[in-house]
Amino acid sequence: ELKVEQNPLFLSMQEGKNYTIYCNYSTTSDRLYWYRQDPGKSLESLFVLLSNGAVKQEGRLMASLDTKARLSTLHITAAVHDLSATYFCAVDDRSSNTGKLIFGQGTTLQVKP
Amino acid sequence: ETGVTQSPTHLIKTRGQQVTLRCSSQSGHNTVSWYQQALGQGPQFIFQYYREEENGRGNFPPRFSGLQFPNYSSELNVNALELDDSALYLCASSQDLRGALEYGYTFGSGTRLTVV
Repeated sequence: ELKVEQNPLFLSMQEGKNYTIYCNYSTTSDRLYWYRQDPGKSLESLFVLLSNGAVKQEGRLMASLDTKARLSTLHITAAVHDLSATYFCAVDDRSSNTGKLIFGQGTTLQVKP
Repeated sequence: ETGVTQSPTHLIKTRGQQVTLRCSSQSGHNTVSWYQQALGQGPQFIFQYYREEENGRGNFPPRFSGLQFPNYSSELNVNALELDDSALYLCASSQDLRGALEYGYTFGSGTRLTVV
């Protein structure tokens, strides 16, 4: 069964610092998604990574995918308070043929001034 | 695009009751998936509907059922509610069975269900 693990689960950082969130998954998959969730809100799509070596950047966030290592990273550059949220990675479960997403536990990011 | 809308936003039910949650998908999105997100957890896949037929199911009992209608709306029904059913329920729509290649899935704003 496909499992997705994120670390760290909680991250408190100062504004202006850099950090990386890691997402490991247990079996082969061809799509990986990153979502942001604010408290009590729905999921906002950040990135869709479709192939080995894919790298996407939007503002202070950059995501990458290494399908051989079954690892994706979400790198935060010069964090600002507005980035405080919970970030989820999700992997497309190819075995289901339904586009079923398996989510990680989420990483709660707190950016302090 | 009008996005994905869910109703109601909040709901309180008593254990043993039945509940229906609704989702209106984006125009042209013929696939809808439902997820349950317990507090502090990642969303868990309940089931998916494609062209009005169930197309896959997660580890949820039969008292969780759904419907999808031709107008891109769908329902999640839960019978015999239990306390552990308290969660945020999210629907997600996509253009095809395996998600829109470039944009992934569009999630609705969710329904917060509390079972007392």
